Amino acid sequence: DTGVSQDPRHKITKRGQNVTFRCDPISEHNRLYWYRQTLGQGPEFLTYFQNEAQLEKSRLLSDRFSAERPKGSFSTLEIQRTEQGDSAMYLCASSEVDRNTEAFFGQGTRLTVV
Amino acid sequence: KQEVTQIPAALSVPEGENLVLNCSFTDSAIYNLQWFRQDPGKGLTSLLLIQSSQREQTSGRLNASLDKSSGRSTLYIAASQPGDSATYLCAVRETSGSRLTFGEGTQLTVNP
Repeated sequence: DTGVSQDPRHKITKRGQNVTFRCDPISEHNRLYWYRQTLGQGPEFLTYFQNEAQLEKSRLLSDRFSAERPKGSFSTLEIQRTEQGDSAMYLCASSEVDRNTEAFFGQGTRLTVV
Repeated sequence: KQEVTQIPAALSVPEGENLVLNCSFTDSAIYNLQWFRQDPGKGLTSLLLIQSSQREQTSGRLNASLDKSSGRSTLYIAASQPGDSATYLCAVRETSGSRLTFGEGTQLTVNP
């Protein structure tokens, strides 16, 4: 297993466009998390899934953001009508349920809205 | 609301020095605490995980301690090397499987 995989690594988009990011977790992990990180700050929680169920959403996740994990495997994060303030690194993490819940992160998707 | 603070925000040391990074959290009712390393423009690499019942964990030149009652953790790096230069983040998990709350990190530079 190669760890948590995110695609794309970089995305530049014009303000107002929609973007979608993908995350493939470690295969046996049934928990999947999305975080957002701006320059010089620690990551901030956005949402998490257990299998296909979205169990928690942060208030940071405005109605322009939607996340899915349709078959309990990979997940997508979509941002509609992007704004310059959405520019950030979007990080995905996964963990197991029944063990020590150590979280493993992907390399992130760097979004720049111009 | 849980708040995590890391001190110092930045640290520059000569190669070979032993150093300590500090992390404090406001709510001591945590499930575990995890230390991460982040290289510029990259994702997070897990370094050490300490469960709430543990006092410390060691991996190679790294040693992390946890004092849950006082809301503090330290990451000790022995014999620092230029390759240790990165941002170090600590994060706490309040219940099993829940979100991690991160500090803002300590940016470490180890000079040759």
